[in-house]
Amino acid sequence: KQEVTQIPAALSVPEGENLVLNCSFTDSAIYNLQWFRQDPGKGLTSLLLIQSSQREQTSGRLNASLDKSSGRSTLYIAASQPGDSATYLCAVRGSQGNLIFGKGTKLSVKP
Amino acid sequence: NAGVTQTPKFQVLKTGQSMTLQCAQDMNHEYMSWYRQDPGMGLRLIHYSVGAGITDQGEVPNGYNVSRSTTEDFPLRLLSAAPSQTSVYFCASSYYGKGFRSGNTIYFGEGSWLTVV
Repeated sequence: KQEVTQIPAALSVPEGENLVLNCSFTDSAIYNLQWFRQDPGKGLTSLLLIQSSQREQTSGRLNASLDKSSGRSTLYIAASQPGDSATYLCAVRGSQGNLIFGKGTKLSVKP
Repeated sequence: NAGVTQTPKFQVLKTGQSMTLQCAQDMNHEYMSWYRQDPGMGLRLIHYSVGAGITDQGEVPNGYNVSRSTTEDFPLRLLSAAPSQTSVYFCASSYYGKGFRSGNTIYFGEGSWLTVV
């Protein structure tokens, strides 16, 4: 059974700092991996999608990498801002096509 | 663009009552799904559908029923509400078919907060 783990569970950093969020999964037979952002009381917004054949994806200050063989992905946020404060969720798409989520990393960026 | 629309946003039920959470999407997506999100548990899949007339169970289907009579709508029914079903429920949709598994962003609704007392 696929399991997705995110470390750390919570992170607090000063504004301007570069940071890395980690995601690991137990079954490397995935089709893709997605990073989502969730603001309090809101739904999920897709940030980046990495297909199983890709190594990384970039969008603005965000860069996500995927090492399928080791079951790891990282989300790199450059020059963090208070508006980046949210919960970040990692999810892998498995053999049935459904998303399997980690429990998230709650990020707080202090001004 | 409405995207994925869920109603109601908030609901309080008494134990034993039944209700339906509505989900509609206007993107002509074949794939639709329901998740519940609980503190410390993350998001867990309840039921999903890959087209009208086709549904299947996810990780936590007990106590819930679904049907898919149209492409646009995927309602989730609570048959006899229990306090353990207090949660936030999210509906999601995406394209299906060629490229489904390798790509296709999945879109989420804003969530439905359900409390069972």
